[in-house]
Amino acid sequence: DTAVSQTPKYLVTQMGNDKSIKCEQNLGHDTMYWYKQDSKKFLKIMFSYNNKELIINETVPNRFSPKSPDKAHLNLHINSLELGDSAVYFCASSPPRSGGGDTQYFGPGTRLTVL
Amino acid sequence: GQQLNQSPQSMFIQEGEDVSMNCTSSSIFNTWLWYKQDPGEGPVLLIALYKAGELTSNGRLTAQFGITRKDSFLNISASIPSDVGIYFCAGQPTYNFNKFYFGSGTKLNVKP
Repeated sequence: DTAVSQTPKYLVTQMGNDKSIKCEQNLGHDTMYWYKQDSKKFLKIMFSYNNKELIINETVPNRFSPKSPDKAHLNLHINSLELGDSAVYFCASSPPRSGGGDTQYFGPGTRLTVL
Repeated sequence: GQQLNQSPQSMFIQEGEDVSMNCTSSSIFNTWLWYKQDPGEGPVLLIALYKAGELTSNGRLTAQFGITRKDSFLNISASIPSDVGIYFCAGQPTYNFNKFYFGSGTKLNVKP
């Protein structure tokens, strides 16, 4: 009965590599998000998709490219990984309400470590 | 970008004590959410608030949507060791339904 799932849970990689994180939600929500949580636990939104369309793109390096093949999936691909990309990445989803979500449900997170 | 000020940053309390934390914003919000995050896990939604003045409870937790729509607080009564974690507020501004901004978190430590 998993609601929002992410894979992998842990990702350790070398600088310069390219990696992907996958997210799936079985809640029937229209909107999905990617957040980055830094070492001080601050949660910052990166991207948001509504029905496969990009609606939020915060100031994120273009090495980060989200892709939503359907409204239940939102993947995050990161090119040329840098040390500063080390963080926990959370996927979240929201049900539709007045054109946006009024609650958010988070996945378990992917801890990315760049060496 | 929008800033949410969450306080206190951390708390050390004795089991059985009541706890209060709050968030303030510079903008008017439509929605306030309160989350708890355990180590190695994602934030879990505790309470959602949608109307100014609304007071909502979830067990020993009570949260209120401030009348000015720029603040919210969360109270935990009779704390227990499993209340330990980081509590986050999140708000959805009136000017952007698609975004949630998060506070910096309140780390709660409960001594048995």
